[in-house]
Amino acid sequence: EPEVTQTPSHQVTQMGQEVILRCVPISNHLYFYWYRQILGQKVEFLVSFYNNEISEKSEIFDDQFSVERPDGSNFTLKIRSTKLEDSAMYFCASKSGSSDNEQFFGPGTRLTVL
Amino acid sequence: GEDVEQSLFLSVREGDSSVINCTYTDSSSTYLYWYKQEPGAGLQLLTYIFSNMDMKQDQRLTVLLNKKDKHLSLRIADTQTGDSAIYFCAESVDRDDKIIFGKGTRLHILP
Repeated sequence: EPEVTQTPSHQVTQMGQEVILRCVPISNHLYFYWYRQILGQKVEFLVSFYNNEISEKSEIFDDQFSVERPDGSNFTLKIRSTKLEDSAMYFCASKSGSSDNEQFFGPGTRLTVL
Repeated sequence: GEDVEQSLFLSVREGDSSVINCTYTDSSSTYLYWYKQEPGAGLQLLTYIFSNMDMKQDQRLTVLLNKKDKHLSLRIADTQTGDSAIYFCAESVDRDDKIIFGKGTRLHILP
Protein backbone atom coordinates (compact mmCIF):
# COMPACT_ATOMS: atom_id res chain seq x y z
CA GLU A 1 0.00 0.00 0.00
CA PRO A 2 1.44 3.41 -0.91
CA GLU A 3 2.48 5.57 2.01
CA VAL A 4 4.00 8.92 2.84
CA THR A 5 7.61 8.66 4.00
CA GLN A 6 9.69 11.16 5.93
CA THR A 7 13.39 11.50 6.59
CA PRO A 8 15.12 11.68 8.93
CA SER A 9 13.09 10.13 11.71
CA HIS A 10 14.98 12.19 14.25
CA GLN A 11 17.03 15.36 13.68
CA VAL A 12 19.11 17.07 16.34
CA THR A 13 20.42 20.54 15.60
CA GLN A 14 21.95 23.54 17.32
CA MET A 15 19.93 26.71 17.75
CA GLY A 16 20.45 29.03 14.80
CA GLN A 17 21.21 26.26 12.33
CA GLU A 18 19.18 25.57 9.21
CA VAL A 19 17.34 22.28 8.90
CA ILE A 20 15.56 20.65 6.00
CA LEU A 21 12.92 18.05 6.69
CA ARG A 22 12.13 15.78 3.79
CA CYS A 23 8.94 14.07 2.74
CA VAL A 24 8.02 11.82 -0.15
CA PRO A 25 4.25 12.08 -0.65
CA ILE A 26 2.20 9.35 -2.31
CA SER A 27 3.09 9.45 -5.99
CA ASN A 28 -0.17 10.56 -7.64
CA HIS A 29 -1.12 13.04 -4.93
CA LEU A 30 -1.40 16.73 -5.72
CA TYR A 31 -1.94 18.42 -2.32
CA PHE A 32 0.76 18.54 0.32
CA TYR A 33 0.82 19.65 3.93
CA TRP A 34 3.06 20.14 6.93
CA TYR A 35 1.83 19.93 10.50
CA ARG A 36 3.74 19.96 13.76
CA GLN A 37 3.13 18.70 17.27
CA ILE A 38 5.05 20.15 20.18
CA LEU A 39 5.37 17.55 22.92
CA GLY A 40 2.14 17.31 24.90
CA GLN A 41 0.31 19.75 22.67
CA LYS A 42 -2.04 19.61 19.71
CA VAL A 43 -1.13 18.76 16.15
CA GLU A 44 -1.03 22.18 14.45
CA PHE A 45 -1.38 23.04 10.79
CA LEU A 46 1.62 24.84 9.28
CA VAL A 47 1.14 25.06 5.53
CA SER A 48 -0.62 23.59 2.52
CA PHE A 49 0.87 23.45 -0.97
CA TYR A 50 -0.70 22.86 -4.36
CA ASN A 51 0.36 23.48 -7.93
CA ASN A 52 3.83 24.56 -6.82
CA GLU A 53 2.66 27.28 -4.51
CA ILE A 54 1.48 27.77 -0.96
CA SER A 55 -2.31 27.56 -0.67
CA GLU A 56 -2.59 28.50 2.98
CA LYS A 57 -0.25 29.02 5.90
CA SER A 58 -0.76 29.47 9.61
CA GLU A 59 0.59 32.17 11.90
CA ILE A 60 3.32 29.74 12.95
CA PHE A 61 4.65 29.62 9.40
CA ASP A 62 6.68 32.83 9.50
CA ASP A 63 9.62 33.98 7.37
CA GLN A 64 11.87 31.38 8.97
CA PHE A 65 9.90 28.61 7.27
CA SER A 66 9.77 27.70 3.61
CA VAL A 67 8.52 24.76 1.57
CA GLU A 68 9.61 23.44 -1.74
CA ARG A 69 8.87 20.66 -4.16
CA PRO A 70 12.28 20.49 -5.80
CA ASP A 71 11.48 17.55 -8.05
CA GLY A 72 8.54 15.30 -8.84
CA SER A 73 8.78 13.29 -5.65
CA ASN A 74 10.10 15.28 -2.68
CA PHE A 75 8.37 17.90 -0.57
CA THR A 76 10.62 19.72 1.88
CA LEU A 77 10.21 21.99 4.88
CA LYS A 78 13.13 24.29 5.62
CA ILE A 79 13.63 26.17 8.86
CA ARG A 80 16.26 28.83 8.24
CA SER A 81 17.46 29.59 11.75
CA THR A 82 16.08 27.16 14.29
CA LYS A 83 14.90 28.24 17.72
CA LEU A 84 14.45 26.13 20.84
CA GLU A 85 10.69 26.38 20.44
CA ASP A 86 10.89 24.74 17.01
CA SER A 87 11.51 21.43 18.77
CA ALA A 88 8.54 19.27 17.80
CA MET A 89 7.35 16.34 15.73
CA TYR A 90 6.79 17.46 12.15
CA PHE A 91 4.25 15.56 10.06
CA CYS A 92 3.97 15.66 6.31
CA ALA A 93 0.66 14.75 4.65
CA SER A 94 -0.68 14.45 1.12
CA LYS A 95 -4.00 13.91 -0.59
CA SER A 96 -4.93 13.07 -4.13
CA GLY A 97 -7.53 15.69 -5.11
CA SER A 98 -9.60 18.59 -3.93
CA SER A 99 -12.69 16.44 -3.45
CA ASP A 100 -10.78 13.85 -1.49
CA ASN A 101 -11.28 14.07 2.28
CA GLU A 102 -8.40 11.93 3.41
CA GLN A 103 -4.99 13.37 4.06
CA PHE A 104 -2.43 10.58 4.38
CA PHE A 105 0.17 11.28 7.04
CA GLY A 106 3.80 10.27 7.26
CA PRO A 107 5.38 8.90 10.45
CA GLY A 108 6.89 12.25 11.35
CA THR A 109 10.33 13.71 11.97
CA ARG A 110 11.24 14.53 15.53
CA LEU A 111 13.24 17.76 15.54
CA THR A 112 15.26 18.57 18.65
CA VAL A 113 16.86 22.02 18.84
CA LEU A 114 19.59 22.37 21.47
CA GLY B 1 -11.86 30.55 16.81
CA GLU B 2 -11.54 26.90 15.91
CA ASP B 3 -10.88 24.55 18.82
CA VAL B 4 -11.19 20.83 19.44
CA GLU B 5 -11.18 19.42 22.97
CA GLN B 6 -10.95 15.86 24.18
CA SER B 7 -9.96 14.10 27.38
CA LEU B 8 -6.33 13.00 27.53
CA PHE B 9 -6.61 9.47 28.92
CA LEU B 10 -9.02 6.54 28.90
CA SER B 11 -8.53 3.09 30.43
CA VAL B 12 -10.76 0.23 29.33
CA ARG B 13 -10.78 -3.50 30.04
CA GLU B 14 -10.13 -5.78 27.11
CA GLY B 15 -13.45 -6.88 25.60
CA ASP B 16 -15.36 -3.84 26.88
CA SER B 17 -16.46 -0.92 24.71
CA SER B 18 -14.37 2.25 24.62
CA VAL B 19 -16.04 5.61 24.16
CA ILE B 20 -13.86 8.60 23.35
CA ASN B 21 -15.55 11.98 23.43
CA CYS B 22 -14.72 15.24 21.72
CA THR B 23 -16.19 18.73 21.50
CA TYR B 24 -15.52 21.33 18.84
CA THR B 25 -16.35 24.99 18.52
CA ASP B 26 -16.58 25.78 14.82
CA SER B 27 -20.21 25.42 13.78
CA SER B 28 -19.22 25.57 10.12
CA SER B 29 -17.20 22.35 10.39
CA THR B 30 -18.07 20.13 7.47
CA TYR B 31 -15.99 17.05 8.17
CA LEU B 32 -15.18 15.50 11.51
CA TYR B 33 -12.47 12.89 11.78
CA TRP B 34 -10.99 10.32 14.07
CA TYR B 35 -7.30 9.58 13.59
CA LYS B 36 -5.29 6.87 15.33
CA GLN B 37 -1.61 7.13 16.16
CA GLU B 38 0.34 4.09 17.25
CA PRO B 39 3.82 4.48 18.79
CA GLY B 40 6.37 5.57 16.19
CA ALA B 41 3.78 5.75 13.43
CA GLY B 42 1.98 8.52 11.60
CA LEU B 43 -1.63 9.58 11.91
CA GLN B 44 -3.95 6.98 10.43
CA LEU B 45 -7.45 8.06 9.44
CA LEU B 46 -9.91 5.69 11.12
CA THR B 47 -13.16 7.21 9.98
CA TYR B 48 -14.82 10.50 9.22
CA ILE B 49 -18.36 11.81 9.22
CA PHE B 50 -20.03 14.59 7.31
CA SER B 51 -21.71 17.22 9.43
CA ASN B 52 -25.12 16.37 7.95
CA MET B 53 -24.93 12.85 9.39
CA ASP B 54 -25.76 11.72 12.93
CA MET B 55 -24.07 8.37 12.97
CA LYS B 56 -21.64 6.28 11.01
CA GLN B 57 -20.78 2.66 11.69
CA ASP B 58 -17.82 0.77 10.33
CA GLN B 59 -17.25 -2.71 11.76
CA ARG B 60 -16.28 -2.19 15.44
CA LEU B 61 -16.31 1.60 15.15
CA THR B 62 -19.36 3.80 15.69
CA VAL B 63 -19.19 7.56 15.34
CA LEU B 64 -21.97 9.68 16.82
CA LEU B 65 -22.36 13.36 16.02
CA ASN B 66 -24.53 15.78 17.97
CA LYS B 67 -24.29 18.89 15.84
CA LYS B 68 -26.43 20.97 18.21
CA ASP B 69 -24.04 20.35 21.11
CA LYS B 70 -20.97 20.15 18.82
CA HIS B 71 -20.14 16.80 20.35
CA LEU B 72 -18.49 13.88 18.57
CA SER B 73 -17.82 10.44 19.99
CA LEU B 74 -16.02 7.32 18.85
CA ARG B 75 -17.14 3.97 20.22
CA ILE B 76 -14.88 0.96 19.77
CA ALA B 77 -16.74 -2.28 20.45
CA ASP B 78 -14.94 -5.30 21.93
CA THR B 79 -11.76 -3.33 22.62
CA GLN B 80 -8.60 -5.31 21.94
CA THR B 81 -4.95 -4.81 22.88
CA GLY B 82 -4.23 -3.68 19.33
CA ASP B 83 -6.54 -0.72 19.88
CA SER B 84 -4.05 0.76 22.33
CA ALA B 85 -3.04 4.08 20.75
CA ILE B 86 -3.67 7.81 20.81
CA TYR B 87 -6.95 8.83 19.16
CA PHE B 88 -7.23 12.31 17.69
CA CYS B 89 -10.51 14.05 17.05
CA ALA B 90 -10.25 16.57 14.22
CA GLU B 91 -12.34 18.85 12.03
CA SER B 92 -12.13 20.71 8.78
CA VAL B 93 -14.39 23.20 7.09
CA ASP B 94 -15.28 23.65 3.45
CA ARG B 95 -13.58 26.96 3.06
CA ASP B 96 -10.30 25.69 4.50
CA ASP B 97 -8.20 22.72 3.60
CA LYS B 98 -6.40 22.42 6.91
CA ILE B 99 -7.36 19.94 9.60
CA ILE B 100 -7.76 21.16 13.17
CA PHE B 101 -6.77 18.51 15.72
CA GLY B 102 -7.50 17.93 19.36
CA LYS B 103 -4.72 16.96 21.76
CA GLY B 104 -5.50 13.28 21.47
CA THR B 105 -6.86 10.68 23.91
CA ARG B 106 -4.48 7.94 24.99
CA LEU B 107 -6.43 4.67 25.16
CA HIS B 108 -4.98 2.16 27.58
CA ILE B 109 -6.25 -1.41 27.56
CA LEU B 110 -6.41 -3.28 30.85
CA PRO B 111 -6.09 -7.09 30.80
